[in-house]
Amino acid sequence: TQLLEQSPQFLSIQEGENLTVYCNSSSVFSSLQWYRQEPGEGPVLLVTVVTGGEVKKLKRLTFQFGDARKDSSLHITAAQPGDTGLYLCAGAGNAGGTSYGKLTFGQGTILTVHP
Amino acid sequence: DTEVTQTPKHLVMGMTNKKSLKCEQHMGHRAMYWYKQKAKKPPELMFVYSYEKLSINESVPSRFSPECPNSSLLNLHLHALQPEDSALYLCASSQDSGQGEYEQYFGPGTRLTVT
Repeated sequence: TQLLEQSPQFLSIQEGENLTVYCNSSSVFSSLQWYRQEPGEGPVLLVTVVTGGEVKKLKRLTFQFGDARKDSSLHITAAQPGDTGLYLCAGAGNAGGTSYGKLTFGQGTILTVHP
Repeated sequence: DTEVTQTPKHLVMGMTNKKSLKCEQHMGHRAMYWYKQKAKKPPELMFVYSYEKLSINESVPSRFSPECPNSSLLNLHLHALQPEDSALYLCASSQDSGQGEYEQYFGPGTRLTVT
């Protein structure tokens, strides 16, 4: 069974601070997705990382995939109140050799950015 | 367009009622999913349809009955639910690309309350 450990579980910071969220696993994933979810809404896909060592930037968000494709991080620079939400990492495997594969979700990080 | 729509947005039902949740996507995706999500927790996979056939059932109780009438539509029929089934029900879809990038796009969810 593939597991993804996400940390920290809760993060409460002031506007302007930087933060990093981590996802770690002992399993290799073919790709890893990061989602952000606001209360009462569905998760919104932020980025997919596929290649070991890959770094992707989305404005103030920087995503990194570990060289061995077992871990990933999300770094937010100068956090804003609009960044508040539940952040989820999800690893994609290969279920039964088909391409639709099940996602393994981390437990999520609840981020609160105070003005 | 990466939109997945779900209706209704909110649903309150008694334990003896029969109701249905609906999901639609027009991205040409060939895999569709139902997830259940409790507050501040990651989504839990319930069912996966691939090419309109049920491919994964995560040991979901029979009071939940999925249906995929065509490649764009996914229904979840509910009957004799329990209060602990109250949750956010999310639909998602993904392209059957076969390249290992299993990007899933989520709908906004249906907030279900069982009384």
